[in-house]
Amino acid sequence: AQKVTQAQTEISVVEKEDVTLDCVYETRDTTYYLFWYKQPPSGELVFLIRRNSFDEQNEISGRYSWNFQKSTSSFNFTITASQVVDSAVYFCALSEAKYGGSQGNLIFGKGTKLSVKP
Amino acid sequence: ETGVTQSPTHLIKTRGQQVTLRCSSQSGHNTVSWYQQALGQGPQFIFQYYREEENGRGNFPPRFSGLQFPNYSSELNVNALELDDSALYLCASSKLLAGGSNEQFFGPGTRLTVL
Repeated sequence: AQKVTQAQTEISVVEKEDVTLDCVYETRDTTYYLFWYKQPPSGELVFLIRRNSFDEQNEISGRYSWNFQKSTSSFNFTITASQVVDSAVYFCALSEAKYGGSQGNLIFGKGTKLSVKP
Repeated sequence: ETGVTQSPTHLIKTRGQQVTLRCSSQSGHNTVSWYQQALGQGPQFIFQYYREEENGRGNFPPRFSGLQFPNYSSELNVNALELDDSALYLCASSKLLAGGSNEQFFGPGTRLTVL
């Protein structure tokens, strides 16, 4: 069965600190997708990144970076120089690949609530 | 903004009642997925609709049902409401492609409270 574990329930940092959100996943599929979403207090899920299981290259987008390690089934997310606007709940998610490579339904972790204090 | 809209924003019902939630998908998308997010939890997959038919279902009882219309908008219906149905209901639209991936774009959600 597929499962996503985000062991950190809540993290609190002071602005400009770096913070890493952990994500560990379980799947028997050889082809799958991993995601991170941000959910601000408004409730709408904001897509941040998608990786497929064959692409283990780390990715950097501005202050955000992701470390995908198949050997440890982890897909961690780091925010560098955090800002108050980064305060939100962050979800890691997994989906199987189906329909010739397209994405199945998302399986979410329980989320990590990040609070960035000024 | 993703272009996915949901209505209503908030809803209060009593136990045993029925509710209908609506979702308009993003232009060009042909697939709608529904998720239930209980307080403090991650979203859970309810079902997906593609070409007006159910195309996958999570672990939800039959009193959760849906529809997709020719314009790809969708409804989620819940009968015989229970207190545990209180949650944020999220709709996500995507384009199902053969041989390609389909990103899911989420709407703002409908907050359902069952008293």
